[in-house]
Amino acid sequence: KAGVTQTPRYLIKTRGQQVTLSCSPISGHRSVSWYQQTPGQGLQFLFEYFSETQRNKGNFPGRFSGRQFSNSRSEMNVSTLELGDSALYLCASSLDTGTNTEAFFGQGTRLTVV
Amino acid sequence: AQSVTQLDSHVSVSEGTPVLLRCNYSSSYSPSLFWYVQHPNKGLQLLLKYTSAATLVKGINGFEAEFKKSETSFHLTKPSAHMSDAAEYFCVVFVYGQNFVFGPGTRLSVLP
Repeated sequence: KAGVTQTPRYLIKTRGQQVTLSCSPISGHRSVSWYQQTPGQGLQFLFEYFSETQRNKGNFPGRFSGRQFSNSRSEMNVSTLELGDSALYLCASSLDTGTNTEAFFGQGTRLTVV
Repeated sequence: AQSVTQLDSHVSVSEGTPVLLRCNYSSSYSPSLFWYVQHPNKGLQLLLKYTSAATLVKGINGFEAEFKKSETSFHLTKPSAHMSDAAEYFCVVFVYGQNFVFGPGTRLSVLP
């Protein structure tokens, strides 16, 4: 069974540009969550999608957005990149079966904004 | 609202000695609790989870954690550290319908 796949693994972008990151969840998983990991702030929740609908959202500006497709694959987009957006972006998928929920993480996309 | 406190940002042990990583949580509901490990430049791997069954939870690689509701704690232990255990460890609380909330992490160093 394939794990969570994130692409690309590494990205270098310039301030002001936009970027799209992709996440393919484990087959059968309908919930996909995104997290930003930085040395200073740790792991912070961005948003969660379930059956193509955003179900939860963290405290990030509107420059951060996402979507989920009918096959559960998800993308997140960051517009007007800032230096502070440099981080490891992690995607997690889960079955969403109540209290038995556990999240499986991808290896992340390392975004560097210069 | 949920929150997680990991009492030590860095723990250093000698190989073969016990490991104790401390975690306290705050949750308005009956939480599910997890420990994840992250090796350098890697994603997060699930070590173990508590979901209101047995309070002593066994995980992979010899790790265990005990859920103590009265102390709102979920400390992670291992009887004997191995060099390969050196990594960052995250205590996580989850409430159904909401998101996963991560602790700040504890970096475990294992000395030869």
